[in-house]
Amino acid sequence: GEDVEQSLFLSVREGDSSVINCTYTDSSSTYLYWYKQEPGAGLQLLTYIFSNMDMKQDQRLTVLLNKKDKHLSLRIADTQTGDSAIYFCAEIPLSGGYNKLIFGAGTRLAVHP
Amino acid sequence: DTEVTQTPKHLVMGMTNKKSLKCEQHMGHRAMYWYKQKAKKPPELMFVYSYEKLSINESVPSRFSPECPNSSLLNLHLHALQPEDSALYLCASSVLTGTGGNTEAFFGQGTRLTVV
Repeated sequence: GEDVEQSLFLSVREGDSSVINCTYTDSSSTYLYWYKQEPGAGLQLLTYIFSNMDMKQDQRLTVLLNKKDKHLSLRIADTQTGDSAIYFCAEIPLSGGYNKLIFGAGTRLAVHP
Repeated sequence: DTEVTQTPKHLVMGMTNKKSLKCEQHMGHRAMYWYKQKAKKPPELMFVYSYEKLSINESVPSRFSPECPNSSLLNLHLHALQPEDSALYLCASSVLTGTGGNTEAFFGQGTRLTVV
């Protein structure tokens, strides 16, 4: 089946690292994505990882993929107040048609001083 | 230009009104999408267009009628909506591939629709 799970809330202090976790169920997914949504705004693609990779780093963002456990994580280094948003992980399972993006419930990240 | 533009940003309509949401992209993407997002929920897929043809309809009620007049434009025609249809409607576009390759979707800022 198609299901993507995330913890709903994360609170961190400014300057600390944030780690947002996600589990997915469809092992056929070739790419996995992280999107950011600020209040009242659309979705911004942050990064993605190809399923044959274990890790991808992009400036302050590090994506880790454990394909065996179907676990995806997003680490934000030196978290800033501007990082406060909802973060969605998403997959495109081949079983759902290669255009069908399946989102997790979203993790609300709150950054406090 | 990696922009998907949606108009209007906000829309209030009565249950007997007819209105349309518009979406435009100039990235040459041949897949375009409509998503619906309720408050504190993830986006839910409504429709997918591939090469200007409807390829996925996620059992959306007929009061929502999509249209793709050309490869850059996507419309969503609204008629006889209910208050529970109030939501953020997001348009997205992506490259089409035939092998499940990276089809990262670019989203617009959405139209916040309120049905009264």
